[in-house]
Amino acid sequence: EAGVTQFPSHSVIEKGQTVTLRCDPISGHDNLYWYRRVMGKEIKFLLHFVKESKQDESGMPNNRFLAERTGGTYSTLKVQPAELEDSGVYFCASSQAGSNEQFFGPGTRLTVL
Amino acid sequence: GQSLEQPSEVTAVEGAIVQINCTYQTSGFYGLSWYQQHDGGAPTFLSYNALDGLEETGRFSSFLSRSDSYGYLLLQELQMKDSASYFCAQGGTGGGNKLTFGTGTQLKVEL
Repeated sequence: EAGVTQFPSHSVIEKGQTVTLRCDPISGHDNLYWYRRVMGKEIKFLLHFVKESKQDESGMPNNRFLAERTGGTYSTLKVQPAELEDSGVYFCASSQAGSNEQFFGPGTRLTVL
Repeated sequence: GQSLEQPSEVTAVEGAIVQINCTYQTSGFYGLSWYQQHDGGAPTFLSYNALDGLEETGRFSSFLSRSDSYGYLLLQELQMKDSASYFCAQGGTGGGNKLTFGTGTQLKVEL
C-alpha cells in the first residue's frame, strides 16, 4: 500500500510569488492534516480535514495560506504571496477514522528567498 | 496553551538503554504519542499512551504518568540506526485530534 506522498519535495521561490503544495493521503484515510516545521522549531499543526471539510484550521498562520481538499481525496496548500518567514518543511499526514496513528509524508521543503 | 518539553540532545552507545523524557503542560489531555524522524525523512509513529503505565513495542517502550504530566520513551538494545530525532506529541486519541509536538530530542548512538 502506498504511503502519504507530497509534491514537490523541494520548492525555491522568491518573496511575493505563489506556491502550491500537494498531498496525497493513504487511500481510505478520512483525516488529513497539514503541519509545518520552521528551522530550529518544533513541528506545528496547521489544519485538519475530515474528508472534504475543514475540521480545525486554528494553526493557519494568516490568510495568505489556503488549503483545499476537494472531493475528500488529495489536498493542496497554497501560499500567496509567500514571505520569507514561510520557509520551512511542510508535512502532510493522514489517519483512519478512530485511529491514534498518523502517517506522515516526506514533506515539502519550501525556501522563500 | 500547550507545551511539551524534551531534552534537546541525548548521546548513548550501541547496545545501551536510553530514556527520553517529555514533560507537558496542556489545557486538555488527549494522550501522548511518540514519533521518530530521521534526517530529511517523514516522522513515523512509535507508540501511544492514553492511560498511565507502560506500553511496550519491541525494543521501544513508552510510559505515561498523567498526575505528573510526564512521559518517557525507552529505547533498549540501541542500534546505530536509532540515531534520529524523537518527538513526543499530545493528542491523536479517537483519530481526529491534531498533534501538538514537543521540542524534539536528537539521539546520537555511538559505537
